[in-house]
Parts: sequence; structure tokens; C-alpha cells
Amino acid sequence: DAKTTQPNSMESNEEEPVHLPCNHSTISGTDYIHWYRQLPSQGPEYVIHGLTSNVNNRMASLAIAEDRKSSTLILHRATLRDAAVYYCILSRIQGAQKLVFGQGTRLTINP
Amino acid sequence: NAGVTQTPKFQVLKTGQSMTLQCAQDMNHEYMSWYRQDPGMGLRLIHYSVGAGITDQGEVPNGYNVSRSTTEDFPLRLLSAAPSQTSVYFCASSSGIKQRYNSPLHFGNGTRLTVT
Repeated sequence: DAKTTQPNSMESNEEEPVHLPCNHSTISGTDYIHWYRQLPSQGPEYVIHGLTSNVNNRMASLAIAEDRKSSTLILHRATLRDAAVYYCILSRIQGAQKLVFGQGTRLTINP
Repeated sequence: NAGVTQTPKFQVLKTGQSMTLQCAQDMNHEYMSWYRQDPGMGLRLIHYSVGAGITDQGEVPNGYNVSRSTTEDFPLRLLSAAPSQTSVYFCASSSGIKQRYNSPLHFGNGTRLTVT
């Protein structure tokens, strides 16, 4: 399975933008890039996903490099509630939705 | 919207005991799956189902059984609990087999299991 690499932790300040990087150099042409986040004591929560083009939704933006070997999740104005572990995952078409979760990035937001 | 409901929230078992972790979703989702989360290991896929009557193994299926008799329910059975099965278990579902790679997973809030 194609793997992703994320920093173990990042820190930012409240009301500032946050850019969470993800490397996926072995991505294949049919892999979707998914982002989930997990708040303490909760199940993972879907954030955003994309294939080739940049994507925006009410939670975040996803910027995908032209060669698709990396992507960046952008939180435009972080709040304390955005403190969580963020997972970057590749969803490969191979029979089922076998999302493989790595270690993720633990995001700390300072007030 | 209830979404994905998991019961119980907490459970303590003794080695060798059996139990069933319940998972139910009210979104008419075709796809359902079970993950376990251990400290420092991320989430690992145990079993999944693409519809009623169809199940398959994930990364770490040993020691667990599943069945899918209805669209709504996807129970996970531990036949003989072992301390290595101490973990937090998450059930997840998504819609549309044909759109499964565009469909986000909806997770429950987990069952924290301790096997002594």
C-alpha cells in the first residue's frame, strides 16, 4: 500500500492559518487523498479529500501538488477546537475502502 | 442524526471470555468496517463488509469474527479474548459502493476494551 509521511507534531496560534503537510511519493494515478482528524476520546472525523485538483469545503482546503507526490491541508483560521491528530491517507481502488491510517500529525493550538 | 452508534463504550474482560461489540448505522450505508487503535500504532483495519451477507478480512483479522445479516448492523465478535486485544475499537461506515473512493467514512465514538 502507498504510504504517507507527516510530521509528528505541529503547533500554531489561534486565529492564524495552519498548513499541514503530507508526502505521498508512491501515490498511484487512481489514489484519492483523504484527510481525517481525531479529537481526544472521539472517533476520526472526515475533513476533506481530493484526487488532482485543489478542494475547498467549510472545514478546510486541500492543496495538491502538480505531481501529486505531496499535499497540504490548510485550516484558514485555527480555533482551539481544531486541536487534534490529523491523518493524511491514500484511498486505493482495490476492492474496498481500505483506508490505512498512519501516525498522523498532532496539532496544538495556542490561545 | 444518530450516525454510527457503538456499544458498549467501555468493557473489561478476562482472558478467554467472549463478547460482541455492537455497531449500528442509520444512514443506509453499504460499506461498514472495524478498526482498532493502539497507542503509537494508528488505526488498523480488522474486517469490513461491502453489503449484507458479504464480509472480508482487513490487516489484523485474527481473533475476531464478523457477520452482516442486515444493512444497519455489523457486530464484531471476540471468541476468546486475549490481553493483546486490549485496544479502542472503532466502527465506520460509508455510502455507495460505486462511489466508495469518493465517500467519506463516518466513525462511531469507539469501544474501549481491556482484557486482563
